[in-house]
Amino acid sequence: DAMVIQNPRYQVTQFGKPVTLSCSQTLNHNVMYWYQQKSSQAPKLLFHYYDKDFNNEADTPDNFQSRRPNTSFCFLDIRSPGLGDAAMYLCATSGAGGEEQYFGPGTRLTVT
Amino acid sequence: SQQGEEDPQALSIQEGENATMNCSYKTSINNLQWYRQNSGRGLVHLILIRSNEREKHSGRLRVTLDTSKKSSSLLITASRAADTASYFCATEGNFGNEKLTFGTGTRLTIIP
Repeated sequence: DAMVIQNPRYQVTQFGKPVTLSCSQTLNHNVMYWYQQKSSQAPKLLFHYYDKDFNNEADTPDNFQSRRPNTSFCFLDIRSPGLGDAAMYLCATSGAGGEEQYFGPGTRLTVT
Repeated sequence: SQQGEEDPQALSIQEGENATMNCSYKTSINNLQWYRQNSGRGLVHLILIRSNEREKHSGRLRVTLDTSKKSSSLLITASRAADTASYFCATEGNFGNEKLTFGTGTRLTIIP
């Protein structure tokens, strides 16, 4: 089945230790998104790629970076995680602008 | 903030009853979408309604859209225990930038 896969599902990192979360898709979608979701809150868009074009949200901290080496994969790098970065990180894809988004199961990040 | 508001924030009903959730938003839109999120999981797309549509059905779901009031409602009929989840509305603005803005969500609990 076509899907969006996120690894790992749970990630524990230490304060200040860089961490990378990964997302892959078999849907061949043009657009890939990264969201941060804290407990009982709405998903907050961090950035998205339309093909290779990177689009950063104005309020996304510089601590968050992303890479998309090819259509299928996208990575979220947190350079120096703080306690406030503990959250669920959701990856999503869509085939074109404005259509439904397909979400992965998320990676729950804990910062100790 | 362009984030939408949903009400109620939480809703508990008996199995078999109907559940209605409301969403209000602030800017002009191309479409509005509803998503479901089970606890600790990714979001699942339920239904999309375009700005020139007023009502849409999908199985036990009925969505209405009133662009003059900038509001939408999601009705789930004959609720089941498996419908217990958080429900989010999301809007795509008419800027053509592939982004969704999510509402604050309604936590629905179905009591068996």
